[in-house]
Amino acid sequence: NAGVTQTPKFQVLKTGQSMTLQCAQDMNHNSMYWYRQDPGMGLRLIYYSASEGTTDKGEVPNGYNVSRLNKREFSLRLESAAPSQTSVYFCASNLQGNTEAFFGQGTRLTVV
Amino acid sequence: RKEVEQDPGPFNVPEGATVAFNCTYSNSASQSFFWYRQDCRKEPKLLMSVYSSGNEDGRFTAQLNRASQYISLLIRDSKLSDSATYLCVVNAKAAGNKLTFGGGTRVLVKP
Repeated sequence: NAGVTQTPKFQVLKTGQSMTLQCAQDMNHNSMYWYRQDPGMGLRLIYYSASEGTTDKGEVPNGYNVSRLNKREFSLRLESAAPSQTSVYFCASNLQGNTEAFFGQGTRLTVV
Repeated sequence: RKEVEQDPGPFNVPEGATVAFNCTYSNSASQSFFWYRQDCRKEPKLLMSVYSSGNEDGRFTAQLNRASQYISLLIRDSKLSDSATYLCVVNAKAAGNKLTFGGGTRVLVKP
């Protein structure tokens, strides 16, 4: 029962490097989300995908791109990492927007 | 104004006491409401959904006040293990049907 799987769990990047955070869910959920959480703060929505083939910007989309590769997978790309993107990134999914969301274990990203 | 607002706390609670806190939301079209619990550096997990009539799950009681646009969480007979951050989550179909999180309320239960 994997649920939501995120990779990697930890990453250190240099300013200007690019990387893709991977997320996959095995619950046949329609909606998937990417959030970031800064120390002592709540979760802020970066992008979400209400269903396969659609993506929408959230509260803090600048500096990120996403791909809903198929129903299972939703990736988040940082094209040119900046220190301000140092954060913990959580992927989540739910059957539809108004149902319980399940989270991955998070990716702790540091940009130096 | 933020879509979902919470008192960040911390609420320092003696073991065995009752603690309650609220969460306000700005979108009157919000339809679904949840409380999540987050332990330090871990992923959030669902504590309970919040229904219009209010609902209870053991020592936890959630209430919804649509007129004043807030939800509340009450914890009775607090345990040390209740120490965590409690996140209020709101969904509004008209706002893209996405889940919006509050900043969280930190609760510390002390012996």
